[in-house]
Amino acid sequence: GENVEQHPSTLSVQEGDSAVIKCTYSDSASNYFPWYKQELGKRPQLIIDIRSNVGEKKDQRIAVTLNKTAKHFSLHITETQPEDSAVYFCAAPPSGGSYIPTFGRGTSLIVHP
Amino acid sequence: KAGVTQTPRYLIKTRGQQVTLSCSPISGHRSVSWYQQTPGQGLQFLFEYFSETQRNKGNFPGRFSGRQFSNSRSEMNVSTLELGDSALYLCASSGRTGTTGELFFGEGSRLTVL
Repeated sequence: GENVEQHPSTLSVQEGDSAVIKCTYSDSASNYFPWYKQELGKRPQLIIDIRSNVGEKKDQRIAVTLNKTAKHFSLHITETQPEDSAVYFCAAPPSGGSYIPTFGRGTSLIVHP
Repeated sequence: KAGVTQTPRYLIKTRGQQVTLSCSPISGHRSVSWYQQTPGQGLQFLFEYFSETQRNKGNFPGRFSGRQFSNSRSEMNVSTLELGDSALYLCASSGRTGTTGELFFGEGSRLTVL
C-alpha cells in the first residue's frame, strides 16, 4: 500500500514567520493530495488540496506545491498567526484499489505570539 | 446541512469489556470510514463502508469490527478492550464514489480503557 512520510513532526515558529511542512509518498496513479488541519480538541478539516495537473495552488496565506516526479508535496503557510497553531495532516492518494487516502503522522505547528 | 455526528462523545470502559460507537454521516453521503487517533500516531485507518459493504480494512485485529446500515449510519465495535485501545475514534463521510474527494470528520468518540 501507499506509504506517506511527513516532516517535521513538530514545528515552532514566531508569529509572522513562514512555515513549511513536507510529505513524500511512495506510489500512486491517482491525482489528489489534500491537507487537513486539526485544532486542539476539534475535528480535522480540509484546508487545501491539489490535483496533479497543477504544480501549485494558493489560498490566501496557504499554498501547496506538488512535485510528482520526486513524489513529494508541501504545505506553505506565510505570515503565520497564533490561530494557525494546530496539527496538520497530509494525505496521499489511495493505491491498490483502496478508496481511502493514507495520512501522514501529522505536524504539530506552534506559532508563538 | 448537518455535519457528521458521533456518539457517545466520551466513554470510560474497563479491560475486557466491549464498546459500540455510532456515526451518522452527512445526508446523502454513502461512504463512511473510521480512524483511530493516538498521540504521535496520526490517523490510523480502521475500515471503510460504502452502501452497507466493507470496501477496505486497515491493519487492526479482529476485535475491531464495524457495519453500515441502509441509511448509511455506521457503527464500530471493539470487543475485549485493552488498555492500548484508549484513543480518539473518528469517523468521516464522503460523498464521492471514486478515489478523490473531501472527507468530512465527526468530532470523535474519546474512549478511555482502565
